[in-house]
Amino acid sequence: GDSVTQMEGPVTLSEEAFLTINCTYTATGYPSLFWYVQYPGEGLQLLLKATKADDKGSNKGFEATYRKETTSFHLEKGSVQVSDSAVYFCVLSGNTPLVFGKGTRLSVIA
Amino acid sequence: EPEVTQTPSHQVTQMGQEVILRCVPISNHLYFYWYRQILGQKVEFLVSFYNNEISEKSEIFDDQFSVERPDGSNFTLKIRSTKLEDSAMYFCASSEAISQRVSYEQYFGPGTRLTVT
Repeated sequence: GDSVTQMEGPVTLSEEAFLTINCTYTATGYPSLFWYVQYPGEGLQLLLKATKADDKGSNKGFEATYRKETTSFHLEKGSVQVSDSAVYFCVLSGNTPLVFGKGTRLSVIA
Repeated sequence: EPEVTQTPSHQVTQMGQEVILRCVPISNHLYFYWYRQILGQKVEFLVSFYNNEISEKSEIFDDQFSVERPDGSNFTLKIRSTKLEDSAMYFCASSEAISQRVSYEQYFGPGTRLTVT
């Protein structure tokens, strides 16, 4: 069945550091890919999405490119802020309901 | 901005008791979902609901679970006889439409933390 594997956390970075959170997937058909974020005490929010190969999703300085050849959707941000501290989920939507990765906790320190 | 709301935020119950988790989806959305996240594990799909019936459910969604849309706004998840392993965060979500080729965003509520003692 469909599955998502994302890098284990927690990840701790200093403010303005570069962020990469790796995500790879296994799916049949043509899945859409998402990154959801969960800030402390809040629900899951869509951060960005890509619906087909080579699409780049972007939002709030975060980017991820849908790479079919490597079945990846890595999340990147050039300069993280303390306010980016949250749990990030790589998510797949194919012929089944949303399939979540385990989540990666990011802590950004000033 | 419209949002999905869930009540209560935290529910503590004794093993064997029935609980009802409540959700108010976004008003023009047609599809509704429940997911759960056991502490330290993945968010898992439980059930989807459309046009007043279950459209899909996972292996987790066994006979102890049921869902209902009792009126035009609420969407509920009932667990009939809770077990210790039902302790988890339960998320409700809603979306406008779904398609195999175009995925519409699912909007999530803040979750209800269920603790079974």
